[in-house]
Parts: sequence; C-alpha cells; structure tokens
Amino acid sequence: KAGVTQTPRYLIKTRGQQVTLSCSPISGHRSVSWYQQTPGQGLQFLFEYFSETQRNKGNFPGRFSGRQFSNSRSEMNVSTLELGDSALYLCASSPSPANEKLFFGSGTQLSVL
Amino acid sequence: AQTVTQSQPEMSVQEAETVTLSCTYDTSESDYYLFWYKQPPSRQMILVIRQEAYKQQNATENRFSVNFQKAAKSFSLKISDSQLGDAAMYFCAYRSAGSYGGATNKLIFGTGTLLAVQP
Repeated sequence: KAGVTQTPRYLIKTRGQQVTLSCSPISGHRSVSWYQQTPGQGLQFLFEYFSETQRNKGNFPGRFSGRQFSNSRSEMNVSTLELGDSALYLCASSPSPANEKLFFGSGTQLSVL
Repeated sequence: AQTVTQSQPEMSVQEAETVTLSCTYDTSESDYYLFWYKQPPSRQMILVIRQEAYKQQNATENRFSVNFQKAAKSFSLKISDSQLGDAAMYFCAYRSAGSYGGATNKLIFGTGTLLAVQP
C-alpha cells in the first residue's frame, strides 16, 4: 500500500505570491491533517479534514486555507506569502479522526524569498 | 490548553547501549493518547510507540518502551540496544481522546530531542 504522498517536495516562492500544496492520503484513509514545522516554532497543527469537512483549525491567519476532495486528497493554500511562512509542511492521514495512528508524508519544504 | 515539554535538546548514546528520552506534559483531561515519533533526515515522521492514558501498563515495541507516570504527567522513552539507525529527532506528542464525534487528530508536539548514536 502506498504511503502518504506530498507534492511537490520542494518549492521556492517570493513574498506576496501564493502557493498550493497537495497531499494524497493512504488508500482508504479519509482523515487528513496538516502541520507546519519551523526551527523557531516547532511543529504546529494547521487544520484537519474528514469527509471533505474541516473539523479543526489551528491558530494560523486566514491566509492559510485548505480543502479536501471527495477522493480524500487534500490541498492547502497559503496566500500573500511572508518570509515567516518558510517551513516544512507535513501532511498526515488516518482512516478516521477516531483512529489515533497517524501516518505522515515526507513533507513539502517551502522557501519564501 | 495542553502543553508538551522535552527538556533535552540533544542526547548521545553508544551503539548497543540504552538511552532514555524525557517528556512531560500538562493537561486537565483524564483521557488522552501520548506518542513518540521519530523524524530521520528523510523528514518523514514515523510513529515509534503510543500509550493510552487509561491503560496502566507501559507500552513496549521491540527495543522501545515507555515509562508512563500519569500522576506526574511524565512519559519517557527508553531505547535499548541502540542502533545506528536510531539516530534521529524524537518528538513527544499529545492527543486528546474524545468520542467519535469529537475525536480529532490534532497533535501537540514537544520541541524534540536530537539523538546521536556513536559507533
């Protein structure tokens, strides 16, 4: 069974641009959550989706948004990029929110110049 | 709000020896899960071991075991017979239990401990 797939692996953008990151969960997994990892703030929860509905959102500005499609694939979008948005963005999937075992992808490394 | 603290930014162990990584947490909830995740240079977070708060017995997974002290809100990871492949960043994480309707996969992570394994 394929693992969690995140694309692209690396991304370079400039301030003010917007970016879309993609996450394909493990087949059969319907819950997807996103995390931001930075050296300064560590790992922080962004949001969680289940059955195309956002169930939970972390403490991030409205520039950060996401969605989930009917096939459980998820995207997150960051608009008006700032230098501080440079981070590793990790996606994790599980069969459902009730299943506590998360499987993570290898992340998308975003650099904002 | 729940918090997770890892007070050891870096640790080192000799190959084949035993090392213990520390983690403390704060919560007012009675039911929750605790995890140790490993993040090697490949950046993928890998679940090492998990503990359900309502279970008294400490979890074990092969060479990995935990010492869960609920009253003290302590959750340490012991790695026995350390191997070179154990070198990685280790994160302690907390998750509320919740019922199905209220369950969430929001994890609260500690700041991590970088483990080096010396040959």
